[in-house]
Formats: sequence, structure tokens, C-alpha cells
Amino acid sequence: EAGVAQSPRYKIIEKRQSVAFWCNPISGHATLYWYQQILGQGPKLLIQFQNNGVVDDSQLPKDRFSAERLKGVDSTLKIQPAKLEDSAVYLCASSLGTSGAGEQYFGPGTRLTVT
Amino acid sequence: AQSVTQPDIHITVSEGASLELRCNYSYGATPYLFWYVQSPGQGLQLLLKYFSGDTLVQGIKGFEAEFKRSQSSFNLRKPSVHWSDAAEYFCAVGAGTASKLTFGTGTRLQVTL
Repeated sequence: EAGVAQSPRYKIIEKRQSVAFWCNPISGHATLYWYQQILGQGPKLLIQFQNNGVVDDSQLPKDRFSAERLKGVDSTLKIQPAKLEDSAVYLCASSLGTSGAGEQYFGPGTRLTVT
Repeated sequence: AQSVTQPDIHITVSEGASLELRCNYSYGATPYLFWYVQSPGQGLQLLLKYFSGDTLVQGIKGFEAEFKRSQSSFNLRKPSVHWSDAAEYFCAVGAGTASKLTFGTGTRLQVTL
């Protein structure tokens, strides 16, 4: 089966610009996650969707980050305006259900550099 | 709130040698525990997971991990390391019905020939 797809793989922008990332989860997976992985750290959950509803966005900086999952399938994560500290790899993951025991499948990530 | 500590930032082992990567967690109830591996430029791949039952868990690529409740640990082991095992390894804890994962800071494994 096809894995989690993400694009673009790399993006370089200047601070105060905007950027958007796209994720297509594994077919049939109800739950979709966006993680931020800063260099030298583990991934940190930004937002979790179940179908097209938000389950957890407690760590999403809502003044500049937004995400949507229209029709409960693919998703976009947007940053506007970007700051230097947003430089990171943005990982998308999906899982079949919402149980804590469920395996999450990760995409290759988008590496964002803010200059 | 749950947390994970991986005390070793970087480990170097010789090919063929045994490996143990340490992970300590903090969580009030029985946790769900995971080990993921991340190769350069790749996403995370699940190696193994613990939910309940047998405390020694077998995973892919010859890895195993042992859950020790008394020590709040979930250390990853492999009896004989291959050069292709060089990567970054992350321990993570999940909590109950919420599938949010909390990751440790990772351990980078270098394998010398």
C-alpha cells in the first residue's frame, strides 16, 4: 500500500513570508497528525485530526499556524508569517483509529528553513 | 502529563557488537511504549511497541525491548548490530485512549566497521 505522502520535501523562505505544506495520509486512515521536529529534538505534536475534526491542537501556535483537513482526507499546514524559530522538519503521520495503542505511519517530512 | 528521557545523545558501537539504548518514561498509568527509527531524510518507522502482557517485546530488524515497570524503563536491545542500523532512534509514550505520542530527544547510533 502507498505510504503517507508529503510535499514539498524542502522549502526555504524568508522570515515573515508564508508557507504551506501538504499531506496525503494512507487510504482509509481516519486520524492524521502534524508534528514539528526541531533539529536535535524529538517530534512534537502540533495538531491531530480525526476525519475532518480537530482532536488536539493544544500545542499549535494559533497566532501563526493553521491547519485544515477538508473532506477528511488530505491536509494542509500553513505558517503565516514565518519566524526563524519555525525552521524544522514538519512530519505528517496517519493511523487507522484513535487509540493510544494504534500505530502511526509517518511521511518523509518537509524540511523548512527560514532565513 | 507524560514525558520520555533518552539519556544518551550519541552512541558508537562496532559492527557485530551488542546494543542497548536507554529510555525512561514518566506516566501515571500503564503506558503504551514505542520505539521508532529515523534514517537520514526519512520519516519515522516503528520498530516495536508495548501495550500489555509479556514485558519482552520483539520487533522488526532483530530488535527487542523490555518493559520494566519498577524502573520506568523501556530499553531497546539488539544482540549484533549491522552497519545499516546507523540511524536515530526515538522512544515514545502514548497515553490511554488519546493517541498523542510524546517523544524523547532521540539517540543517534553510529556503527563502525
